[in-house]
Amino acid sequence: SYELTQPLSVSVALGQTARITCGGNNIGSKNVHWYQQKPGQAPVLVIYRDSNRPSGIPERFSGSNSGNTATLTISRAQAGDEADYYCQVWDSSSYVFGTGTKVTVL
Amino acid sequence: EVQLVETGGGLIQPGGSLRLSCAASGFTVSSNYMSWVRQAPGKGLEWVSVIYSGGSTYYADSVKGRFTISRDNSKNTLYLQMNSLRAEDTAVYYCAKAATVMGAFDIWGQGTMVTVSS
Repeated sequence: SYELTQPLSVSVALGQTARITCGGNNIGSKNVHWYQQKPGQAPVLVIYRDSNRPSGIPERFSGSNSGNTATLTISRAQAGDEADYYCQVWDSSSYVFGTGTKVTVL
Repeated sequence: EVQLVETGGGLIQPGGSLRLSCAASGFTVSSNYMSWVRQAPGKGLEWVSVIYSGGSTYYADSVKGRFTISRDNSKNTLYLQMNSLRAEDTAVYYCAKAATVMGAFDIWGQGTMVTVSS
């Protein structure tokens, strides 16, 4: 079965840039989606199809996908960006989530 | 307003059964790809099952043969019938909508907690 690997945690200084990676075999050939989840809340879609932002998501969130790694970038990080982030793809009639990354804003 | 509302969670003994419901508003369940996703306490997201707009259903290996996904078009509601429940099924269960088979889950419910314990 397909697997997606993310770093357990990422720390970023207030106002700086955080990059969260999502590794998978030839993930560049798949559509990658990213979700933000805050404690006690349902996940929220922040990036779809590699690099597209849903309405209401700040431009500070961006994404890329190539080769074996997809990346979610959070620019000018704010305290409100502290959350868990998950990547996700569709593979062979099933959906796969990454292991999740906790982002801490210092 | 586009939203999903899950109900039916609770405390159930191992080996028992439970049916979760997910009522949709603002869109048509049968025209979309509807999934159940769960999250065990302190753990990550795990996809459980999907029903395609055409009616095909698929399951994670961890629940295959025990869980059944279905929908009632007249009620615009998604269901998850869970049988032979195990302690490891304890989780918050979310229903989620995708517009296409490879699409993102753009709408999520608030979740319902299922606790399997004696």
